[in-house]
Amino acid sequence: DIQMTQSPSSLSASVGDRVTITCRASQNISPFLNWYQQKPGKAPELLIYEASTLHSGVPSRFSGSGSGTDFTLTIGSLQPEDFATYYCQQSYNALTFGQGTKVEIK
Amino acid sequence: QVQLQESGPGLVKPSETLSLTCTVSGGSMSDYYWSWIRQPPGKGLEWIGYIYNSAGINYNPSLRSRATISADTSKNQFSLKLTSVTAADTAVYYCARLIAVAGNFLDFWGQGSLVTVFS
Repeated sequence: DIQMTQSPSSLSASVGDRVTITCRASQNISPFLNWYQQKPGKAPELLIYEASTLHSGVPSRFSGSGSGTDFTLTIGSLQPEDFATYYCQQSYNALTFGQGTKVEIK
Repeated sequence: QVQLQESGPGLVKPSETLSLTCTVSGGSMSDYYWSWIRQPPGKGLEWIGYIYNSAGINYNPSLRSRATISADTSKNQFSLKLTSVTAADTAVYYCARLIAVAGNFLDFWGQGSLVTVFS
């Protein structure tokens, strides 16, 4: 099984901050890495697929990068609606999610 | 716009079978993968499995012995059965469409259905 490890598990940030979340896979998974945002009581929503492609309708302040085993989700300027939990997901072999990163208001 | 809606009992007794159905609207099920994912309260996401064109099926190895996914494309529905449930199966169960190109991502999700295993 491919294990996905996100860091940090949670972070506190202010509106306008640049936020970076990392995801590490237990083996090479390029380019099969996707990112989702989940707000309390709601289903996850796709943000980025194939490591760096922005899903339709997602604001450009979100970006993804990385290859091999190490990937990053960056929020360029944090907005109030971005406080949520973020998950990475690999699909190189079946599907596995990271444990999530909760972005909270500082 | 594709929409998905889960339905099924919210309470299941231990050792019994959990059954959920996902109804797809706004598009055809043909030529897409359809997936089940679950999320225990306060925890992360766990993929259960997917079905493609009613025949190609893949399961999470940890659930393969208890999970069965099937589809009825004439009704635009696919279903999940999970046998011998325990309290550990208490979760919000989501159905979602899986796009199996360029990253294999889940682009449309249902709102989720909370299933509690409770005696």
